[in-house]
Amino acid sequence: NAGVTQTPKFRILKIGQSMTLQCTQDMNHNYMYWYRQDPGMGLKLIYYSVGAGITDKGEVPNGYNVSRSTTEDFPLRLELAAPSQTSVYFCASRPTGREKLFFGSGTQLSVL
Amino acid sequence: DAKTTQPPSMDCAEGRAANLPCNHSTISGNEYVYWYRQIHSQGPQYIIHGLKNNETNEMASLIITEDRKSSTLILPHATLRDTAVYYCIGHPPSTSGTYKYIFGTGTRLKVLA
Repeated sequence: NAGVTQTPKFRILKIGQSMTLQCTQDMNHNYMYWYRQDPGMGLKLIYYSVGAGITDKGEVPNGYNVSRSTTEDFPLRLELAAPSQTSVYFCASRPTGREKLFFGSGTQLSVL
Repeated sequence: DAKTTQPPSMDCAEGRAANLPCNHSTISGNEYVYWYRQIHSQGPQYIIHGLKNNETNEMASLIITEDRKSSTLILPHATLRDTAVYYCIGHPPSTSGTYKYIFGTGTRLKVLA
C-alpha cells in the first residue's frame, strides 16, 4: 500500500489564485482529515470527512472547501489564496474501528 | 476533545532515557491517550497509545497515572534521530461518534550528542 499520498509537494501561488490540494489513500479508510501547520506551530484541523459524501468543519475552515465523492479521495480547495494561507498542509486518514491516524507527507504552500 | 498540556521544549542526552510529560486533566473516561511524533516537517507518525494501563512497544513506553490526569512517554535510549516534536492527544474511541481529532502544540525534543 502507498498509504496517504498528497500532491503537489510544493506550490507557490499568487494572491487571489485558486488551487486544489490532492489527497488520496489506498487503505479503504472511511475517515479523512485536512490539517494545516504554520511555521513553528502545531497542527490545526481544517475539515474532516466520515465517508463519501459527508464532510464537516474543523477548527479553521474559513477560506477552504472540500468534497468527498469517493472513499479514496479528499481534495482541499483554496478559492482565493491569501498570504495567511501560507502553511504546510497535511492529509490524514484512519480506519473504522481504530483511532490511529495515518498521515501523508504534506504539501508546502506559499502565497505571495 | 480533551485538551492536553505539554512543555514546549526539552533536551535529552544521547543514550539517556527521554521522559516526555503530558497533562490531560480533562480527559474523559473513555478517551485514549495517543502519542505521535513529527520529525522535521514530515507528517506525524504514530508512536503508542493507551487507555488505563501502561503500554510498551518497540518504540517507546507509555505510563498513565491511575487517575488518568497525566501520562509520560518514555524513549528508553534516545538517539539523535529521536529529535522531533512529540504530540500527546486525547482520542475519543472510534465508536463514540466524535470525529474531530485536535492536536496541541507538542513538545520539541532535542537529543544532544
